[in-house]
Amino acid sequence: GENVEQHPSTLSVQEGDSAVIKCTYSDSASNYFPWYKQELGKRPQLIIDIRSNVGEKKDQRIAVTLNKTAKHFSLHITETQPEDSAVYFCAASGEQGAQKLVFGQGTRLTINP
Amino acid sequence: DVKVTQSSRYLVKRTGEKVFLECVQDMDHENMFWYRQDPGLGLRLIYFSYDVKMKEKGDIPEGYSVSREKKERFSLILESASTNQTSMYLCASRYRGQAYSYEQYFGPGTRLTVT
Repeated sequence: GENVEQHPSTLSVQEGDSAVIKCTYSDSASNYFPWYKQELGKRPQLIIDIRSNVGEKKDQRIAVTLNKTAKHFSLHITETQPEDSAVYFCAASGEQGAQKLVFGQGTRLTINP
Repeated sequence: DVKVTQSSRYLVKRTGEKVFLECVQDMDHENMFWYRQDPGLGLRLIYFSYDVKMKEKGDIPEGYSVSREKKERFSLILESASTNQTSMYLCASRYRGQAYSYEQYFGPGTRLTVT
């Protein structure tokens, strides 16, 4: 089955700098790659996603890139702000298309003022 | 707004007890999921259901069972709780059809402690 590896497990950046979180997946048939953000004490929420027919997607300060050949995808956050501090999870669709997701281990991002 | 609710935010049970965790969604979603969240391990799928009375095992189903008697409700059952089931449990739901967003909507979570 699908396996997703996420790095780094923790990331600390200065406010205003950029942050990059990387994930690799194992199943070349995976075709959907979402990113979820979980603030402290809250539920995970989708922040951006990308499908396998697209190489890059942007939404204001966040972007996701996908390299299908290398089977990895990344989350980029520019001009980081204190409210970006959270745990971020990547995921990939495993079996049954996008019905079921396999999540990475999570990255705790801390924005230092 | 999609609303996914879970029956308890915090639960303390004794080893060997039967434990029920309930999840309810109000958006008529076909698919519902139960995850377990542990530090450093991410979200791991326990079971999911794509319709009433339908269920499929996820990646870590051992020691758990589920029930989906109504579309809006998905229950996770620990038949005989053990200390290694102490964890945060998250429920999620989404539409089944690919014409819709693939977004999964999560509940607030239940932190279960088994002593």
